[in-house]
Amino acid sequence: DGGITQSPKYLFRKEGQNVTLSCEQNLNHDAMYWYRQDPGQGLRLIYYSQIVNDFQKGDIAEGYSVSREKKESFPLTVTSAQKNPTAFYLCASSMGQSRDTQYFGPGTRLTVL
Amino acid sequence: GESVGLHLPTLSVQEGDNSIINCAYSNSASDYFIWYKQESGKGPQFIIDIRSNMDKRQGQRVTVLLNKTVKHLSLQIAATQPGDSAVYFCAETSAGGTSYGKLTFGQGTILTVHP
Repeated sequence: DGGITQSPKYLFRKEGQNVTLSCEQNLNHDAMYWYRQDPGQGLRLIYYSQIVNDFQKGDIAEGYSVSREKKESFPLTVTSAQKNPTAFYLCASSMGQSRDTQYFGPGTRLTVL
Repeated sequence: GESVGLHLPTLSVQEGDNSIINCAYSNSASDYFIWYKQESGKGPQFIIDIRSNMDKRQGQRVTVLLNKTVKHLSLQIAATQPGDSAVYFCAETSAGGTSYGKLTFGQGTILTVHP
């Protein structure tokens, strides 16, 4: 997991509630990413940020929001507009160069009750 | 629409055997490839990478082969151990443009190593 932390490890949400997942890195990486993983599937990109105060939508951004106010932090908010939020959420970071290795955090498992 | 993949490819091997995990990619502009290992309930862990100007790269007990002609990538694990049991993902990216730094992940392969 090397320098990337995610909290909480498990999160339960009632329908209609917004929740925020934390991601922090101390690797001095410029770029950070959020992915969603569903059982038996690969990773799908939600949002990514190449630099502070800037971020871009990924492939499945609807129902999610992010902020990047600090280099080391990239929180993800799962809003009530996300129709099927139960999943495993993974945060990653990289130096921000092209052809760049991304390093992942331990993940947060979100369950909607 | 979203693709649904409920059945990952699986590979079962005996401890000590060599394992080969395959990955096909479709983007001919992809020029950087990574293999990740993901254990249950954990984040993916970097194993090895390769750039498109190479055909082969070796690490500790692992080798990645790249065939750009047929857009195929493979991961070879020598002397497979029970601790190698996990889901293995390949990922690809290309430099520049809107895909800057953005990885595209394959579906994954489940490797099970029997003692």
